[in-house]
Amino acid sequence: NAGVTQTPKFRILKIGQSMTLQCAQDMNHNYMYWYRQDPGMGLKLIYYSVGAGITDKGEVPNGYNVSRSTTEDFPLRLELAAPSQTSVYFCASSYSRQAGASSTDTQYFGPGTRLTVL
Amino acid sequence: KQEVTQIPAALSVPEGENLVLNCSFTDSAIYNLQWFRQDPGKGLTSLLLIQSSQREQTSGRLNASLDKSSGRSTLYIAASQPGDSATYLCAVTLTGNQFYFGTGTSLTVIP
Repeated sequence: NAGVTQTPKFRILKIGQSMTLQCAQDMNHNYMYWYRQDPGMGLKLIYYSVGAGITDKGEVPNGYNVSRSTTEDFPLRLELAAPSQTSVYFCASSYSRQAGASSTDTQYFGPGTRLTVL
Repeated sequence: KQEVTQIPAALSVPEGENLVLNCSFTDSAIYNLQWFRQDPGKGLTSLLLIQSSQREQTSGRLNASLDKSSGRSTLYIAASQPGDSATYLCAVTLTGNQFYFGTGTSLTVIP
């Protein structure tokens, strides 16, 4: 298994540009998450999904959009990039046996995407 | 709002020493608590997951404890090795899949 994969690894954007961060997992996990990590800070949850077609906001969703059309993929969209979105973005996945319940299993993380907005 | 604090922010110990990392949280109505390891420039690796009904979990040289009523968790590392050098993060899960991470403890084990 490749686990959780993220592309690209690095990206520099200009203010106002848009881009999609890709995330895929091959572990048949039903739950997927997007976090951002700013220097010296902990991770903050942007969006999460408990299954295909279902997404919900986390702690810091403004400026981002997500979709979950398949179990495997969970892309994160930045529509109008701003310098405040400079960060490292991590995607994660986990498996919950009980639909709709808080995830009970460990989260598996991707290697991250380092995004700079200038 | 849940606040997760980790103390100390950085720690240096000689190889072979036993050590304790601390994590505290303000809202005791957690679903579970996880400890992660993060190497520089890498993603997070889960070390231990403690459900709210459990008091501790062990994996090899690692032991994590949870005291929900006092809002505290500790990660005990026995016989530390240079390969243990990394940043250790704790995260708590509230119902509704809201996850809150601490800012981490940066550990350096000196050979």
